[in-house]
Amino acid sequence: DAKTTQPPSMDCAEGRAANLPCNHSTISGNEYVYWYRQIHSQGPQYIIHGLKNNETNEMASLIITEDRKSSTLILPHATLRDTAVYYCIVINTNAGKSTFGDGTTLTVKP
Amino acid sequence: SAVISQKPSRDICQRGTSLTIQCQVDSQVTMMFWYRQQPGQSLTLIATANQGSEATYESGFVIDKFPISRPNLTFSTLTVSNMSPEDSSIYLCSVKLAGITDTQYFGPGTRLTVL
Repeated sequence: DAKTTQPPSMDCAEGRAANLPCNHSTISGNEYVYWYRQIHSQGPQYIIHGLKNNETNEMASLIITEDRKSSTLILPHATLRDTAVYYCIVINTNAGKSTFGDGTTLTVKP
Repeated sequence: SAVISQKPSRDICQRGTSLTIQCQVDSQVTMMFWYRQQPGQSLTLIATANQGSEATYESGFVIDKFPISRPNLTFSTLTVSNMSPEDSSIYLCSVKLAGITDTQYFGPGTRLTVL
């Protein structure tokens, strides 16, 4: 699986959009970009995934650049409960398993 | 998604003993995995649990230390054997669901402290 690079930490004001970047410059054509988050002391929670088109669901939006070498997870109106570690991972659909990097610790402040 | 339960949710164990962690899923599962998360660290894959056969272990993990069983599609156990304080971690069960291709879902984790 391709390696991803994320900033170790970010802050965001409550009610504002949180934009979390991820670099995956070695991604290959059959690899998806997945985002998970882990709130303290809980198991990781699936957020969203995409291949090359932008995606949106009830939790977030995922913007993938045209060359697929980077992506941004957008939480449109961050709340205090969005404070968590956010993991961007790249998955080869044939590999089965997921490899996690260090993630970004997002702190939403009042 | 699915309801994934783990037992126990937490435990405090003595050095040299073993602990078996159970993972139960309420939906049809294609793949099951066990991860370890050491304090302040990211998740590390221990192994893929295979139904009716030996688990597939990642580099650095061996069957003697982390025996895994998966007797049916929706249940698996991970045993942490001959524990030392370095085994203090959160152990997480993860699954892929039938009909949902590559998304992995995670259980709540088992917080293990070894004294």
